Amino acid sequence: DTGVSQDPRHKITKRGQNVTFRCDPISEHNRLYWYRQTLGQGPEFLTYFQNEAQLEKSRLLSDRFSAERPKGSFSTLEIQRTEQGDSAMYLCASTKTGSGDQPQHFGDGTRLSIL
Amino acid sequence: AQSVTQLGSHVSVSEGALVLLRCNYSSSVPPYLFWYVQYPNQGLQLLLKYTTGATLVKGINGFEAEFKKSETSFHLTKPSAHMSDAAEYFCAADYNQGGKLIFGQGTELSVKP
Repeated sequence: DTGVSQDPRHKITKRGQNVTFRCDPISEHNRLYWYRQTLGQGPEFLTYFQNEAQLEKSRLLSDRFSAERPKGSFSTLEIQRTEQGDSAMYLCASTKTGSGDQPQHFGDGTRLSIL
Repeated sequence: AQSVTQLGSHVSVSEGALVLLRCNYSSSVPPYLFWYVQYPNQGLQLLLKYTTGATLVKGINGFEAEFKKSETSFHLTKPSAHMSDAAEYFCAADYNQGGKLIFGQGTELSVKP
C-alpha cells in the first residue's frame, strides 16, 4: 500500500493558462474522488469516479474543469483558462467499494497558485 | 441541505488538558461519520470513523468520538493533549454510503506548553 499519489505537489501559473493534475490511487481502489480546499476551509467535493465512469459532478465544477479516468486507474483533473479564484489545494482520495463503510484515503494534494 | 457543522474554528488547550472538538450533522438519517486530521501542506489522515454498531469509537493517537443520534453529534475527544496534536481537524459525513464526503469548516487545535 503506497498511498494516494498526486503530482505535481505545487503548481504556479499565470491567469489564463491551462493546468493538469494527476492522481494515482491506491492500486486496488476502484473509486476516486477530487476535492478542492481553499485556505481556512474544509474540502469541497468536485467529482468522483467508479472505475472509469464519472458518477457525480458538483455544481462547483464549471465548464473550465474536466476530469478523466480513462483506464480506471489514474485520474487527471484539467483546468482551462485559469482564474484567480482557482487558487486552492486540489485533493484526491480513493476507496474500495464493497462493504460500504470504507474510508477515503487522501493524497497530499496539489497546491495551485494563480499569478 | 446535508451539512456538517464544527463549532469553533479555533480551540486552544494546554498540554495535558482535555481536547474536545465539536461536530454536528444535519440529517435525521445518520450518515457515516469521520474525523480527519490535516498537518500543514499535507493531505488528510483518518483518525476514526463511525458507520454502525458501537457508538463510542476509538481512533489513532488516543482520540475517540461518540455518536449521539439524539443530538446529531459526533464530538472528538482526547483525555490529554500533546504538542504533536496541534493541527487542523475536520469532521466529515457520507450521506450516501460510499459517495462524496461533506466536510465541516475545520477546527484548528493549538496546544500550549
